Amino acid sequence: DTAVSQTPKYLVTQMGNDKSIKCEQNLGHDTMYWYKQDSKKFLKIMFSYNNKELIINETVPNRFSPKSPDKAHLNLHINSLELGDSAVYFCASSGGGFGANVLTFGAGSRLTVL
Amino acid sequence: QKEVEQDPGPLSVPEGAIVSLNCTYSNSAFQYFMWYRQYSRKGPELLMYTYSSGNKEDGRFTAQVDKSSKYISLFIRDSQPSDSATYLCAMSPPGAYKYIFGTGTRLKVLA
Repeated sequence: DTAVSQTPKYLVTQMGNDKSIKCEQNLGHDTMYWYKQDSKKFLKIMFSYNNKELIINETVPNRFSPKSPDKAHLNLHINSLELGDSAVYFCASSGGGFGANVLTFGAGSRLTVL
Repeated sequence: QKEVEQDPGPLSVPEGAIVSLNCTYSNSAFQYFMWYRQYSRKGPELLMYTYSSGNKEDGRFTAQVDKSSKYISLFIRDSQPSDSATYLCAMSPPGAYKYIFGTGTRLKVLA
């Protein structure tokens, strides 16, 4: 059973379109994250939710909107896609209390904007 | 200056070599230190996790944290071609959900 699963794995779309990526974790973790990895492999946090509450919202264009319907799910919707949005988006989760728990990552969703 | 600095490599070593991967950081509040391995087109997977200073060993892998120098290391003994991957360090302060990653070091172990 996959611990953190994200769909779709690959997304190819035109500039200006809207797309969504879904994430689910079956680890019973309280906290979920979206990270963006650019072409140089740099992983940067975008958002974090703890028990459905937004706790981290980095400087991300408001075209990106996360939604957490419950603590096992975290989705990412992107409006008006731009070329610079092309990247791999990773969902991750961590369990229990603050800071002491490591991140478990999904396999990534590779977004290509043409 | 970035909060976490890591040499991007690539680092090429012969099979069987000892590999040393390093990160430096500027935030003295960091207490939790992690090393992740990422194969091409895969998600990062946790290799080692240490809290505060000291050493931790797991099989061929040893993680070291020197908080006084703000420097962490990952050593890989008897490196194998299957160790070829990008290695990412990550760290966070206590009481925070924000994990800061290094840029990753690409390692290639030659058979």
